[in-house]
Amino acid sequence: GQSLEQPSEVTAVEGAIVQINCTYQTSGFYGLSWYQQHDGGAPTFLSYNALDGLEETGRFSSFLSRSDSYGYLLLQELQMKDSASYFCAVPPYNAGNNRKLIWGLGTSLAVNP
Amino acid sequence: DTEVTQTPKHLVMGMTNKKSLKCEQHMGHRAMYWYKQKAKKPPELMFVYSYEKLSINESVPSRFSPECPNSSLLNLHLHALQPEDSALYLCASSQVGWGGTGANVLTFGAGSRLTVL
Repeated sequence: GQSLEQPSEVTAVEGAIVQINCTYQTSGFYGLSWYQQHDGGAPTFLSYNALDGLEETGRFSSFLSRSDSYGYLLLQELQMKDSASYFCAVPPYNAGNNRKLIWGLGTSLAVNP
Repeated sequence: DTEVTQTPKHLVMGMTNKKSLKCEQHMGHRAMYWYKQKAKKPPELMFVYSYEKLSINESVPSRFSPECPNSSLLNLHLHALQPEDSALYLCASSQVGWGGTGANVLTFGAGSRLTVL
Protein backbone atom coordinates (compact mmCIF):
# COMPACT_ATOMS: atom_id res chain seq x y z
CA GLY A 1 0.00 0.00 0.00
CA GLN A 2 0.90 3.65 -0.11
CA SER A 3 0.57 6.26 2.61
CA LEU A 4 1.68 9.80 3.23
CA GLU A 5 2.27 11.45 6.59
CA GLN A 6 2.31 15.17 7.24
CA PRO A 7 1.74 17.25 10.39
CA SER A 8 -1.88 18.21 10.96
CA GLU A 9 -1.17 21.78 12.04
CA VAL A 10 1.64 24.31 11.88
CA THR A 11 1.65 27.85 13.28
CA ALA A 12 4.06 30.63 12.37
CA VAL A 13 4.30 34.42 12.34
CA GLU A 14 4.43 36.82 9.43
CA GLY A 15 7.84 37.13 7.86
CA ALA A 16 9.05 33.82 9.23
CA ILE A 17 10.03 30.63 7.42
CA VAL A 18 8.07 27.42 7.84
CA GLN A 19 8.73 23.87 6.64
CA ILE A 20 5.95 21.35 6.11
CA ASN A 21 7.21 17.80 5.96
CA CYS A 22 5.79 14.83 4.10
CA THR A 23 7.03 11.28 4.51
CA TYR A 24 5.77 8.58 2.24
CA GLN A 25 5.61 4.83 2.23
CA THR A 26 5.12 3.48 -1.25
CA SER A 27 6.01 0.31 -3.10
CA GLY A 28 7.24 2.49 -5.95
CA PHE A 29 7.62 6.18 -6.48
CA TYR A 30 7.37 8.67 -9.33
CA GLY A 31 7.36 12.02 -7.60
CA LEU A 32 5.82 14.25 -4.95
CA SER A 33 3.33 17.04 -5.56
CA TRP A 34 2.17 19.84 -3.29
CA TYR A 35 -1.20 21.59 -3.34
CA GLN A 36 -2.47 24.64 -1.44
CA GLN A 37 -6.09 25.08 -0.44
CA HIS A 38 -7.58 28.14 1.24
CA ASP A 39 -10.70 27.73 3.35
CA GLY A 40 -13.71 27.54 1.06
CA GLY A 41 -11.50 27.39 -2.02
CA ALA A 42 -10.21 24.73 -4.38
CA PRO A 43 -6.79 23.05 -4.25
CA THR A 44 -4.15 24.77 -6.32
CA PHE A 45 -1.08 22.99 -7.63
CA LEU A 46 2.17 24.37 -6.18
CA SER A 47 5.02 22.10 -7.20
CA TYR A 48 6.16 18.66 -8.28
CA ASN A 49 9.48 16.98 -7.50
CA ALA A 50 10.49 13.89 -9.43
CA LEU A 51 14.20 14.10 -8.65
CA ASP A 52 16.14 14.71 -5.46
CA GLY A 53 16.85 18.28 -4.56
CA LEU A 54 15.28 21.65 -4.12
CA GLU A 55 12.90 23.31 -6.56
CA GLU A 56 12.33 27.01 -6.00
CA THR A 57 9.35 29.04 -7.14
CA GLY A 58 9.38 32.50 -5.63
CA ARG A 59 8.77 32.35 -1.87
CA PHE A 60 7.91 28.65 -2.03
CA SER A 61 10.40 25.82 -2.44
CA SER A 62 9.92 22.08 -2.45
CA PHE A 63 12.51 19.47 -1.59
CA LEU A 64 12.69 15.74 -2.19
CA SER A 65 14.97 13.00 -0.88
CA ARG A 66 14.05 9.71 -2.52
CA SER A 67 16.51 7.76 -0.38
CA ASP A 68 14.79 9.03 2.77
CA SER A 69 11.24 8.80 1.35
CA TYR A 70 10.80 12.36 2.47
CA GLY A 71 9.96 15.72 1.09
CA TYR A 72 9.07 19.14 2.37
CA LEU A 73 7.50 22.40 1.33
CA LEU A 74 9.37 25.49 2.47
CA LEU A 75 7.52 28.79 2.70
CA GLN A 76 9.61 31.91 3.19
CA GLU A 77 8.68 35.48 4.11
CA LEU A 78 5.34 34.24 5.33
CA GLN A 79 2.30 36.38 4.65
CA MET A 80 -1.15 36.22 6.18
CA LYS A 81 -2.50 35.01 2.83
CA ASP A 82 -0.36 31.87 3.17
CA SER A 83 -2.76 30.65 5.87
CA ALA A 84 -4.22 27.60 4.18
CA SER A 85 -4.12 23.81 4.09
CA TYR A 86 -1.21 22.19 2.27
CA PHE A 87 -1.45 18.69 0.86
CA CYS A 88 1.29 16.44 -0.42
CA ALA A 89 0.28 13.89 -3.04
CA VAL A 90 1.90 11.09 -5.06
CA PRO A 91 0.87 9.17 -8.16
CA PRO A 92 0.16 5.48 -7.60
CA TYR A 93 2.91 2.99 -8.26
CA ASN A 94 2.72 1.36 -11.70
CA ALA A 95 0.33 4.17 -12.55
CA GLY A 96 -0.39 3.09 -16.09
CA ASN A 97 -3.95 4.21 -16.65
CA ASN A 98 -4.56 4.69 -12.93
CA ARG A 99 -4.88 8.39 -12.33
CA LYS A 100 -5.75 8.23 -8.67
CA LEU A 101 -3.42 10.53 -6.76
CA ILE A 102 -2.68 9.42 -3.20
CA TRP A 103 -3.19 12.41 -0.89
CA GLY A 104 -1.79 13.21 2.54
CA LEU A 105 -4.31 14.32 5.17
CA GLY A 106 -3.16 17.91 4.88
CA THR A 107 -1.35 20.42 7.06
CA SER A 108 -3.28 23.45 8.27
CA LEU A 109 -0.93 26.45 8.35
CA ALA A 110 -1.90 29.43 10.48
CA VAL A 111 0.14 32.60 9.96
CA ASN A 112 -0.24 35.07 12.81
CA PRO A 113 0.63 38.78 12.81
CA ASP B 1 -7.44 29.69 -20.95
CA THR B 2 -6.16 27.97 -17.79
CA GLU B 3 -9.40 27.63 -15.89
CA VAL B 4 -11.83 24.95 -14.94
CA THR B 5 -15.32 26.39 -14.56
CA GLN B 6 -17.91 24.75 -12.35
CA THR B 7 -21.58 25.54 -11.98
CA PRO B 8 -23.46 26.05 -9.79
CA LYS B 9 -21.28 27.36 -6.97
CA HIS B 10 -23.89 26.44 -4.39
CA LEU B 11 -26.71 23.94 -4.56
CA VAL B 12 -29.34 23.01 -1.99
CA MET B 13 -31.50 20.04 -2.80
CA GLY B 14 -33.94 17.72 -1.14
CA MET B 15 -33.47 13.99 -1.03
CA THR B 16 -35.99 13.43 -3.83
CA ASN B 17 -34.60 16.04 -6.21
CA LYS B 18 -32.64 15.51 -9.40
CA LYS B 19 -29.90 18.02 -10.15
CA SER B 20 -26.68 18.23 -12.11
CA LEU B 21 -23.26 19.71 -11.54
CA LYS B 22 -21.43 20.98 -14.59
CA CYS B 23 -17.75 21.43 -15.35
CA GLU B 24 -15.98 22.90 -18.37
CA GLN B 25 -12.33 23.28 -19.33
CA HIS B 26 -10.62 24.56 -22.45
CA MET B 27 -7.02 23.62 -21.69
CA GLY B 28 -7.00 20.65 -24.05
CA HIS B 29 -6.78 18.26 -21.10
CA ARG B 30 -8.03 14.78 -21.90
CA ALA B 31 -8.37 13.57 -18.30
CA MET B 32 -11.18 14.92 -16.15
CA TYR B 33 -12.08 14.11 -12.58
CA TRP B 34 -14.80 14.40 -9.98
CA TYR B 35 -13.67 14.68 -6.38
CA LYS B 36 -15.70 14.97 -3.20
CA GLN B 37 -14.27 16.87 -0.25
CA LYS B 38 -15.48 17.13 3.31
CA ALA B 39 -14.25 19.85 5.65
CA LYS B 40 -10.65 19.45 6.85
CA LYS B 41 -10.15 16.33 4.71
CA PRO B 42 -8.22 15.72 1.49
CA PRO B 43 -10.13 15.44 -1.78
CA GLU B 44 -11.64 11.98 -2.30
CA LEU B 45 -11.63 10.68 -5.85
CA MET B 46 -15.00 9.67 -7.29
CA PHE B 47 -14.60 9.30 -11.06
CA VAL B 48 -11.96 9.72 -13.75
CA TYR B 49 -12.55 10.13 -17.47
CA SER B 50 -9.70 9.63 -19.92
CA TYR B 51 -10.36 10.52 -23.54
CA GLU B 52 -14.04 10.87 -22.69
CA LYS B 53 -14.28 7.31 -21.41
CA LEU B 54 -14.87 6.41 -17.78
CA SER B 55 -11.63 4.88 -16.53
CA ILE B 56 -12.10 4.95 -12.75
CA ASN B 57 -15.23 4.64 -10.62
CA GLU B 58 -14.24 4.53 -6.97
CA SER B 59 -17.24 2.42 -5.97
CA VAL B 60 -19.42 5.50 -5.90
CA PRO B 61 -23.14 4.93 -5.14
CA SER B 62 -25.37 4.93 -8.20
CA ARG B 63 -27.17 8.04 -7.00
CA PHE B 64 -24.15 9.82 -8.51
CA SER B 65 -24.00 9.46 -12.27
CA PRO B 66 -21.13 11.02 -14.26
CA GLU B 67 -21.26 11.98 -17.90
CA CYS B 68 -18.59 13.28 -20.28
CA PRO B 69 -20.36 14.62 -23.39
CA ASN B 70 -17.13 15.81 -25.02
CA SER B 71 -13.50 16.56 -24.24
CA SER B 72 -14.34 19.90 -22.60
CA LEU B 73 -17.39 19.04 -20.54
CA LEU B 74 -18.03 16.90 -17.50
CA ASN B 75 -21.33 16.52 -15.68
CA LEU B 76 -22.32 14.88 -12.43
CA HIS B 77 -25.99 13.94 -12.21
CA LEU B 78 -27.42 13.73 -8.72
CA HIS B 79 -30.54 11.83 -7.70
CA ALA B 80 -31.99 10.72 -4.38
CA LEU B 81 -29.04 11.97 -2.41
CA GLN B 82 -28.60 11.59 1.31
CA PRO B 83 -27.71 14.32 3.83
CA GLU B 84 -24.27 12.73 4.25
CA ASP B 85 -23.60 13.53 0.60
CA SER B 86 -23.41 17.20 1.54
CA ALA B 87 -19.87 18.27 0.61
CA LEU B 88 -17.76 20.32 -1.77
CA TYR B 89 -17.68 18.68 -5.19
CA LEU B 90 -14.58 19.46 -7.17
CA CYS B 91 -13.99 19.01 -10.85
CA ALA B 92 -10.41 18.81 -12.06
CA SER B 93 -8.58 18.22 -15.31
CA SER B 94 -5.07 17.21 -16.30
CA GLN B 95 -2.99 15.89 -19.11
CA VAL B 96 -3.24 12.16 -19.47
CA GLY B 97 0.35 11.00 -19.07
CA TRP B 98 2.35 11.08 -15.86
CA GLY B 99 5.36 13.27 -15.38
CA GLY B 100 6.22 16.83 -14.50
CA THR B 101 3.28 18.35 -16.31
CA GLY B 102 1.09 15.30 -16.45
CA ALA B 103 -1.63 13.69 -14.44
CA ASN B 104 0.00 14.61 -11.13
CA VAL B 105 -0.75 18.25 -11.96
CA LEU B 106 -4.46 18.75 -11.46
CA THR B 107 -6.22 21.99 -12.26
CA PHE B 108 -9.29 22.28 -10.06
CA GLY B 109 -12.43 24.24 -10.51
CA ALA B 110 -13.72 26.38 -7.65
CA GLY B 111 -16.13 23.64 -6.64
CA SER B 112 -19.85 23.23 -6.12
CA ARG B 113 -20.92 23.28 -2.50
CA LEU B 114 -23.82 20.86 -2.15
CA THR B 115 -26.23 20.76 0.75
CA VAL B 116 -28.75 17.91 0.91
CA LEU B 117 -31.70 18.51 3.19
